[in-house]
Amino acid sequence: QSALTQPASVSGSPGQSITISCTGTSSDIGGYNYVSWYQHLPGKVPKLLIYDVTDRPSGVSDRFSGSKSGNTASLTISGLQAEDEAHYYCSSFTTYTTPGVVFGGGTKLTVL
Amino acid sequence: EVQMLESGGGLGQPGGSLRVSCEASGFSFKTYAMAWVRQTPRKGLEWVSGISGSGGTTYYADSVKGRFTISRDNSKSTLHLQMNSLRAEDAAVYYCVKGLLGPNCGGDCYFDFWGQGILVTVSS
Repeated sequence: QSALTQPASVSGSPGQSITISCTGTSSDIGGYNYVSWYQHLPGKVPKLLIYDVTDRPSGVSDRFSGSKSGNTASLTISGLQAEDEAHYYCSSFTTYTTPGVVFGGGTKLTVL
Repeated sequence: EVQMLESGGGLGQPGGSLRVSCEASGFSFKTYAMAWVRQTPRKGLEWVSGISGSGGTTYYADSVKGRFTISRDNSKSTLHLQMNSLRAEDAAVYYCVKGLLGPNCGGDCYFDFWGQGILVTVSS
């Protein structure tokens, strides 16, 4: 499985919106609507934010939204808050070699 | 309350073996697929292996295929990962994770609960 490509870091000010991209191939993001996003806060375990490209698990704020176009998925965080500062990982089903799950390298979000 | 407690791990030698286990509670264990995800500072999160609710279907990342074996004991709500032929690059924090959507983790394989993680070190 080849890792998905995310920017190493993004930043934004409180109240702003930011978007994190996640680029794959037709063997993963482009071929299937099985994209998810995880938030990893310092000292915590990862938390599922988005699944099936756009769906949010119960309890996740609607400030988090997901989308996909071609081989690229995106996570948008609106109304940025200080507590959103974390690492964010995308993930997708993949058939690049054998069926499985592939993660992106992670994006560090800094709230200025 | 869903809880997952990993055990085992620790220090393994290159070429050696280790086993990590995860005891789950707070949900109907056999009803959900389970998986192992590992994390390193260099590579971030990496999916390692998954298993269906019945245990009849297993999946492996290319990096561990043929060396690692995932299994589960539904009577004890326990998940295992047997790691053989250890390599330096297997050193990581290993998380036991629960599938979100049910017993089969095919394309729609998402993880809604994570254990606290257990450290595996590989060194001679």
